[in-house]
Amino acid sequence: AQSVSQHNHHVILSEAASLELGCNYSYGGTVNLFWYVQYPGQHLQLLLKYFSGDPLVKGIKGFEAEFIKSKFSFNLRKPSVQWSDTAEYFCAVNGGATNKLIFGTGTLLAVQP
Amino acid sequence: GAGVSQSPSNKVTEKGKDVELRCDPISGHTALYWYRQSLGQGLEFLIYFQGNSAPDKSGLPSDRFSAERTGGSVSTLTIQRTQQEDSAVYLCASSLGLGGGAEQETQYFGPGTRLLVL
Repeated sequence: AQSVSQHNHHVILSEAASLELGCNYSYGGTVNLFWYVQYPGQHLQLLLKYFSGDPLVKGIKGFEAEFIKSKFSFNLRKPSVQWSDTAEYFCAVNGGATNKLIFGTGTLLAVQP
Repeated sequence: GAGVSQSPSNKVTEKGKDVELRCDPISGHTALYWYRQSLGQGLEFLIYFQGNSAPDKSGLPSDRFSAERTGGSVSTLTIQRTQQEDSAVYLCASSLGLGGGAEQETQYFGPGTRLLVL
């Protein structure tokens, strides 16, 4: 069965610090990988996605993620976080006939000004 | 419309009552998904529609849960005889669907319906 693990449940950083959020997945076939973000009081928004091609994908707001197939990982990075990046971040994978998303448990990021 | 819309945004009901939650997907999106977000369980898939048919209902937690989609557009999720453990945020997402690559399979989420069962 598909599963997604996010290792960090809560992360607290100061502004301008670098960010890396871990995500590992388990799936036997071809997968598509996503990071979604949920800002306080807002709905889930797509941050970035990987389907094929260059394993380093760039998303909105300066975020990027690298797909490492050998490690079944899709870690999210940002070189310098801002207070406005405070949010919950979800890694997700889909695959198979229905493309339903399997989510990790989420990482709550708090950026201190 | 511009995005996925859901109604109501909040619903408070008494245990044992039935509730209906509505989702209006992005215009032209053939695939529609329902998910549930709760404190103990995170984000869970409930059901998937392609057009008006539901080829994957594997996430529905019990037979009290059902969903339908008419005209290939609006979908309604119905919970009968609600229980306190049904309290959660119910999210709807849509995608272009029909396979074919990244954009067709990217899901866009609505704001959710926050359900509280007393």
